[in-house]
Amino acid sequence: GAGVSQSPRYKVTKRGQDVALRCDPISGHVSLYWYRQALGQGPEFLTYFNYEAQQDKSGLPNDRFSAERPEGSISTLTIQRTEQRDSAMYRCASSQEGPYEQYFGPGTRLTVT
Amino acid sequence: SQQGEEDPQALSIQEGENATMNCSYKTSINNLQWYRQNSGRGLVHLILIRSNEREKHSGRLRVTLDTSKKSSSLLITASRAADTASYFCATDADNAGNMLTFGGGTRLMVKP
Repeated sequence: GAGVSQSPRYKVTKRGQDVALRCDPISGHVSLYWYRQALGQGPEFLTYFNYEAQQDKSGLPNDRFSAERPEGSISTLTIQRTEQRDSAMYRCASSQEGPYEQYFGPGTRLTVT
Repeated sequence: SQQGEEDPQALSIQEGENATMNCSYKTSINNLQWYRQNSGRGLVHLILIRSNEREKHSGRLRVTLDTSKKSSSLLITASRAADTASYFCATDADNAGNMLTFGGGTRLMVKP
């Protein structure tokens, strides 16, 4: 079946603009996760959902970052008033509910100029 | 913060040799997962080992887990040039939901 998809794959935006990053998980996967990866480092956790409920948002860096998953499927990560330090690869993953394998999407490369 | 720490940070071997990468972590875990990433591209899931397991195999991959030492190792046997990639361990801590905490990765180069 289809894997995790993310859009857009690349996003260049000017500082101060808002951006919305989309994740479409594997069909039937209850859990959805957002991570951020800097060049040369491992991904860092941002937030995750079971169904439509946001279970943990402790990794979101500040209140400019928010995420939603209103119908328990597609999720959107929104960054308001972007800053240059927000530039990174944003990765989404999905899994069955519980401690199972997480499957990652291709990521969205965000560049803030 | 990153819980897992991979060792070595970089490894260069000849095709046909075995490659061993190690991962250490700090808290108790539900499971530990290994991922491969080619040149900053997608993360590919390789293997998951649960806290009550000691060893797991998948093709040319062998993963061990020692919860008393809070460490894991990934062995790739008979390496190929196509195995050139970064390898990450990620832990699912048993008191932190199911978020994964990744290490900094081992950059493996397999020379043909």
